[in-house]
Amino acid sequence: DAMVIQNPRYQVTQFGKPVTLSCSQTLNHNVMYWYQQKSSQAPKLLFHYYDKDFNNEADTPDNFQSRRPNTSFCFLDIRSPGLGDAAMYLCATSRAPGENQPQHFGDGTRLSIL
Amino acid sequence: GQNIDQPTEMTATEGAIVQINCTYQTSGFNGLFWYQQHAGEAPTFLSYNVLDGLEEKGRFSSFLSRSKGYSYLLLKELQMKDSASYLCAVRSPAHAGNNRKLIWGLGTSLAVNP
Repeated sequence: DAMVIQNPRYQVTQFGKPVTLSCSQTLNHNVMYWYQQKSSQAPKLLFHYYDKDFNNEADTPDNFQSRRPNTSFCFLDIRSPGLGDAAMYLCATSRAPGENQPQHFGDGTRLSIL
Repeated sequence: GQNIDQPTEMTATEGAIVQINCTYQTSGFNGLFWYQQHAGEAPTFLSYNVLDGLEEKGRFSSFLSRSKGYSYLLLKELQMKDSASYLCAVRSPAHAGNNRKLIWGLGTSLAVNP
C-alpha cells in the first residue's frame, strides 16, 4: 500500500496560472519535504516541515509556497508557473530527528507548463 | 563546499556484479544513503551507512570509509530490472543545521544488458 501519495501523477497548467500539488502520508512522520527534480539532475530541496515548523531553502523562488494543514497533508503552491518550473515534484517524509531515518518518497507529480 | 561525485553512467551484463562508487566532501558527516530511481519514478531507499564497513542486504551491499570520504554500492546477480539511476546522498549537520536534510549526488545511470 502506498504510504506517501501524491496527486495528481501528471499535471498540466498554463504559463502564469497558479497550480497546487498535493501530498499525503499514512506513516505519521514528523517531517515532510518537497523536492524539484529535472531530467538527469539530483533532487533539489525546496522546503520542508518539521511538524508545523516551516523551513525554506535560501534559493527557493518566492513563486513557490507550501502549506501543511495537519500531519498527514502537505501542499506545494506555485503562484505563477514559468516554463522553467516544468519538472518532477517529489514529496518525501521521514521520522525525526533520528539520524538513520531514510526519506520515503511518493511517486511524484510531473508538471508541464503550456 | 559540499560536493558528492558519482560516475555518470555504467553498463553491466545480466548476472554480473557491478560496483558504483561515490565520493563526498562535506562539512561533517552523519550518514550516507543509497537510493534507486527508475526513469520517471520516485527514488526508493536502498541502504544506509554511518559506520565504516559493509552493510549487506540481499543482492545489494553498501560500503563506507569515512576517513576516505568514500562509499560504494555493490549489486550482485544483476537483473534487467536493476537498470536505473543510483543516487548517493549524505546527511551533513553543518549543511543542514540539523539532521533533516540531505546533499544529493547527480546519480549513476546503470544499464544492464542481456
